[in-house]
Amino acid sequence: ELKVEQNPLFLSMQEGKNYTIYCNYSTTSDRLYWYRQDPGKSLESLFVLLSNGAVKQEGRLMASLDTKARLSTLHITAAVHDLSATYFCAVELDTGNQFYFGTGTSLTVIP
Amino acid sequence: DAGVTQSPTHLIKTRGQQVTLRCSPKSGHDTVSWYQQALGQGPQFIFQYYEEEERQRGNFPDRFSGHQFPNYSSELNVNALLLGDSALYLCASSLVFITTEAFFGQGSTLTVV
Repeated sequence: ELKVEQNPLFLSMQEGKNYTIYCNYSTTSDRLYWYRQDPGKSLESLFVLLSNGAVKQEGRLMASLDTKARLSTLHITAAVHDLSATYFCAVELDTGNQFYFGTGTSLTVIP
Repeated sequence: DAGVTQSPTHLIKTRGQQVTLRCSPKSGHDTVSWYQQALGQGPQFIFQYYEEEERQRGNFPDRFSGHQFPNYSSELNVNALLLGDSALYLCASSLVFITTEAFFGQGSTLTVV
């Protein structure tokens, strides 16, 4: 059974600080997605990583994928309050858009 | 483009009842996947429909069934509701033969009492 683990589960950080969220998965895959979810809302796509070594950046967020280590990271630079949300990584097996989601990381940015 | 739309947004059902949730995919998409997200958890894959047939299924009992219509819209049916079925149900649409990310709807929040 595919397992997708994120850490930390909860993250409280001050504005302006940097931090990294880790996503480990248990089977071979080169397709990894990051989503953001605000309370009571649906999933917003952040990044799609489709090959080993892929790196994507958008604003204060940067995601990377190491398929050999089965590891993806989401790095937050100079956090701001608007980044407070829950972040999920999801692994896709084959190309069927069937996602296996991580446990989520609840991020709170404190002014 | 209305994106992925789901209905109803919220509903309350009693244990033992049956519920039907609906999803209209993003324009041009032909594949619909359903996910269950319990409070504080990540979404879990229920099943996926393409060409009006169940293409893949996650680890959910037969009480969970679905349907896809010729216009690609889809329904999720849950019979004999249990308290543990209370969750946010998310629909995702995509194109089966094109490498792309899925687009999620806003979800249907089901509360079983």
